[in-house]
Amino acid sequence: AQSVTQLGSHVSVSEGALVLLRCNYSSSVPPYLFWYVQYPNQGLQLLLKYTSAATLVKGINGFEAEFKKSETSFHLTKPSAHMSDAAEYFCAVSTPRGGSQGNLIFGKGTKLSVKP
Amino acid sequence: DAGVTQSPTHLIKTRGQQVTLRCSPKSGHDTVSWYQQALGQGPQFIFQYYEEEERQRGNFPDRFSGHQFPNYSSELNVNALWLGDSALYLCASSWRAQNYGYTFGSGTRLTVV
Repeated sequence: AQSVTQLGSHVSVSEGALVLLRCNYSSSVPPYLFWYVQYPNQGLQLLLKYTSAATLVKGINGFEAEFKKSETSFHLTKPSAHMSDAAEYFCAVSTPRGGSQGNLIFGKGTKLSVKP
Repeated sequence: DAGVTQSPTHLIKTRGQQVTLRCSPKSGHDTVSWYQQALGQGPQFIFQYYEEEERQRGNFPDRFSGHQFPNYSSELNVNALWLGDSALYLCASSWRAQNYGYTFGSGTRLTVV
């Protein structure tokens, strides 16, 4: 069975500081991995995805994540936080199933706060 | 280009009632997946519809059912509502049953009292 663990339900950084949101996954087959962002009262927006190509994935808004198979991790980083990055972030895993992909399994989320 | 549209945005129902939520997929998408997001939790997969058939189903009881129409729009029905069904219900559309190209809607907030 697949699962996702996001370490830290709440992370607080200062504006301009490094953002690091941690995600570890469990999967018996090569996974697809995703990071989504959710702003208050909104749906989910895809930040980036790993689908077995380059292990360092660049996404929108300056975010990137690195797939590390040996550590079963897919941590999300951004060199310099902006106030607009304050939101909840979800890591998700899925695996291909036949001709289509399996459903997404989400972590519980990490709420990012950015201090002025 | 319209994204995923969900209606209504908010809904209050009484225990035991039935509810229907609606979703119109993004233009060009033919697959609709439904997720339930309880407060403080990540979304959980309910089911996926493609070619008007339920293709995959998560660990949800039969009280949760759905339908997909020929225009690719979809409905989620929940019967015999429990307090625990209170959540944000998210619809995601994609193409050809894929999930790496999901577009999510803003959701329907269901409150059961």
